[in-house]
Amino acid sequence: QVQLVESGGGLVKPGGSLRLSCAASGFTFSDYWMSWIRQAPGKGLEWVSYISRSASTIYYADSVKGRFTISRDNAKNSLYLHMNSLRADDTAVYYCARDIVPKFVGLGYDYWGQGTLVTVSS
Amino acid sequence: QSALTQPPSASGSPGQSVTISCTGTSSDVGGFNYVSWYQQHPGKAPKLIIYEVHKRPSGVPDRFSGSKSGNTASLTVSGLQAEDEAFYFCNSFTGTNTVVFGGGTKLTVL
Repeated sequence: QVQLVESGGGLVKPGGSLRLSCAASGFTFSDYWMSWIRQAPGKGLEWVSYISRSASTIYYADSVKGRFTISRDNAKNSLYLHMNSLRADDTAVYYCARDIVPKFVGLGYDYWGQGTLVTVSS
Repeated sequence: QSALTQPPSASGSPGQSVTISCTGTSSDVGGFNYVSWYQQHPGKAPKLIIYEVHKRPSGVPDRFSGSKSGNTASLTVSGLQAEDEAFYFCNSFTGTNTVVFGGGTKLTVL
């Protein structure tokens, strides 16, 4: 069955860095666009970034552009989010998610991981 | 990248129908048939219930339906059940190749 498992969250000081990972299984990872989506405590969902199947196309939300980098390793069935210059308002649960239709982006996310909590605080 | 506009709350009694709106612009909701809806129970990951405006993933009851008119998409939940009480978020692809979510609606089953 399809599984997405995030890891790498934790407590980090403002200005610090963190790398999140998402291990995928149960499907052909290289067929799907993948995304990171976050949710601040008690708040709504915020799209962070997506990456195409071959990593040739990447987009970011304005709120993270220049600070976060999304990447993937299809050989390892893994998605990553490198986060630099972290701020208090980056505190959130970070989810990785799969687009529902292979080879397409933006149609909807049919599988989500359980999320990993990132807390930015001194 | 302004968030889509959803009412903060909605409610209905068991068996009734309730509709949640999601208003954007011609650059997102109105410009693409790429609107999706998610149900989220407290402490859980979101679950896809509608994609491409009106399509239901397998396993989602047909009590959930989606539509769109102009810049506003809508989610209708018919035959409300207690387990439908949750937060609902809409989502759309945009003309700048980004993605935007609505602020969320808390559905209460009275």
